[in-house]
Amino acid sequence: AQSVAQPEDQVNVAEGNPLTVKCTYSVSGNPYLFWYVQYPNRGLQFLLKYITGDNLVKGSYGFEAEFNKSQTSFHLKKPSALVSDSALYFCAVRDIGNTGGFKTIFGAGTRLFVKA
Amino acid sequence: GAGVSQSPSNKVTEKGKDVELRCDPISGHTALYWYRQSLGQGLEFLIYFQGNSAPDKSGLPSDRFSAERTGGSVSTLTIQRTQQEDSAVYLCASSLRASGSYNEQFFGPGTRLTVL
Repeated sequence: AQSVAQPEDQVNVAEGNPLTVKCTYSVSGNPYLFWYVQYPNRGLQFLLKYITGDNLVKGSYGFEAEFNKSQTSFHLKKPSALVSDSALYFCAVRDIGNTGGFKTIFGAGTRLFVKA
Repeated sequence: GAGVSQSPSNKVTEKGKDVELRCDPISGHTALYWYRQSLGQGLEFLIYFQGNSAPDKSGLPSDRFSAERTGGSVSTLTIQRTQQEDSAVYLCASSLRASGSYNEQFFGPGTRLTVL
């Protein structure tokens, strides 16, 4: 079975500092990886995805993520954090189920707090 | 265009009653997904549809849970004989298609279910 892990429940960072939210994955084939964000009292929104090609993927709101095959990681990064980045972040991976179908497996989420 | 919509936005019910949750996906999206999110927790996959068929029902917690989709559009998640542990936010998402599941998912605002 494929899985994704977010080792940190919470990440605290000061505004203006770089931020990293960690994600590691386990897949049997080529990974399709995603980051989603859930702002307070708002729905989940897609941030970025890695399918193939360049290991550095750029997404919405200045976020980027680096795919590292040898470390099976897909960490989310931003060079300079904003207070408005405070939210719940989910890493996700495509899973091929027993029926040959496809579903997305989400990590447990990492809550990011950016302090002014 | 319109995003994914869900109704009702909030539902309070008594233990033992049945509830129906509705999801209207984005027009043209053939894949539809149901998730459950308990307070402050990650997303728990329930079921997904490709068209009107559900290739993977492995996430449904018990036989009290069922879902259907008609006309390749609207989906209904039904919970029979609700229990207090069913209380959660039920999220629906859609994507262009599931088999090319590098397509990102678009989430609805969710239905908050409270079972008293």
